[in-house]
Amino acid sequence: QVQLVQSGAEMKKPGASVKVSCKASGYTFSDYGITWVRQAPGQGLQWVGWISASNGVRKYAQKFQDRVTMTTDISTSTAYMEVRSLRSDDTAVYYCARDDRYSAAWFADYWGQGTQVSVSS
Amino acid sequence: EIVLTQSPATLSLSPGERATLSCRASQSVDYLSWYQVRPGQAPRLLIYAASRRATGIPARFSGSGSGTDFTLTISSLEPEDFAVYYCLHRRFGQGTRLEIK
Repeated sequence: QVQLVQSGAEMKKPGASVKVSCKASGYTFSDYGITWVRQAPGQGLQWVGWISASNGVRKYAQKFQDRVTMTTDISTSTAYMEVRSLRSDDTAVYYCARDDRYSAAWFADYWGQGTQVSVSS
Repeated sequence: EIVLTQSPATLSLSPGERATLSCRASQSVDYLSWYQVRPGQAPRLLIYAASRRATGIPARFSGSGSGTDFTLTISSLEPEDFAVYYCLHRRFGQGTRLEIK
């Protein structure tokens, strides 16, 4: 069965970086992409970006373009999202989800359990 | 960047009633998906490519529309359907909260 397992909760200080991992199993990793979404406390969903595990093409939401890097490691079927220069308003649950390999946010059908990232001085 | 506007912000209905949720894009988009979010849970894909039901989603959920105007319809509400719904095309709408009347 398809599963996405994310890394554990992180507590960071403002200005630091965080790297969240998302390990996929149950399907051929390179046949799909990975979308990343976050939800801040009491807020709606925010689409952060997408990466194709097939060809490495990335699409980032404009808001995150300067601070986010998404990568994949096909040998371990793992996707990563790094967020730099963290601010308190980056405090959120971050989700990864399986997506189409050619089109960003085409479908996000299987989701990880979420990773809480807390930013506080 | 495309902006998605969902309406209404809140929809109050009773079980068994029909729900119609709207998502309007600021410019024409070629695909759109819908997600359900329950408190404390990961989002759940309902509809993709505007009208294709995701695997395992009950037939009471349907999607329609094209270009700038899209609709998610729940034909007869079940108690578990009361949640927040979002549309997505590389950016989420602000969501529609479906609450029990």
